[in-house]
Amino acid sequence: GENVEQHPSTLSVQEGDSAVIKCTYSDSASNYFPWYKQELGKRPQLIIDIRSNVGEKKDQRIAVTLNKTAKHFSLHITETQPEDSAVYFCAAGGTSYGKLTFGQGTILTVHP
Amino acid sequence: DAGVIQSPRHEVTEMGQEVTLRCKPISGHNSLFWYRQTMMRGLELLIYFNNNVPIDDSGMPEDRFSAKMPNASFSTLKIQPSEPRDSAVYFCASSFAGGNTGELFFGEGSRLTVL
Repeated sequence: GENVEQHPSTLSVQEGDSAVIKCTYSDSASNYFPWYKQELGKRPQLIIDIRSNVGEKKDQRIAVTLNKTAKHFSLHITETQPEDSAVYFCAAGGTSYGKLTFGQGTILTVHP
Repeated sequence: DAGVIQSPRHEVTEMGQEVTLRCKPISGHNSLFWYRQTMMRGLELLIYFNNNVPIDDSGMPEDRFSAKMPNASFSTLKIQPSEPRDSAVYFCASSFAGGNTGELFFGEGSRLTVL
């Protein structure tokens, strides 16, 4: 089955800096790669996703890049703000009834 | 739509008791997933259904865990008997799986504490 590795497990940045989180996946058939943000005590919520026919996607301060050959994808957050502090999960899948396999998560802390 | 609805939001029970968690997926979604979240293991997929049929339950940790989906608008996850190591947040999520994979929507979660 699919295996997703996510790094780093924790990331601490100063407000205004950029943050990058990286994931690798194992199943070359995976074609859907979403990123979820989970605030403390709340549910994971989708912030951006990318499909295998696209190399990069951007939404305001958030961007995701995908390298299908190397089987890795990354989340980039620019001009970080304290409200970006949360746990971020990458996921891969899409081939079996929408099943997603999640990475272990990255705790992002943005210091004012 | 109200989103994915889970109940109870919090459950505290004693070891050996039966626990039943409930989920109502978003109307029109045809795939339903049960995840368990702990600090040590992250988000683990326990079981998922498509069109009310269980597709893969290989993530269910033991025979003490069972799940059903009797119709398109309701699913249950049951633990019997419960053990302290079952303490976790259990999330139900739903999506529309057809053609391009749709967004996975999570419920608020059920926080289970087994004493």
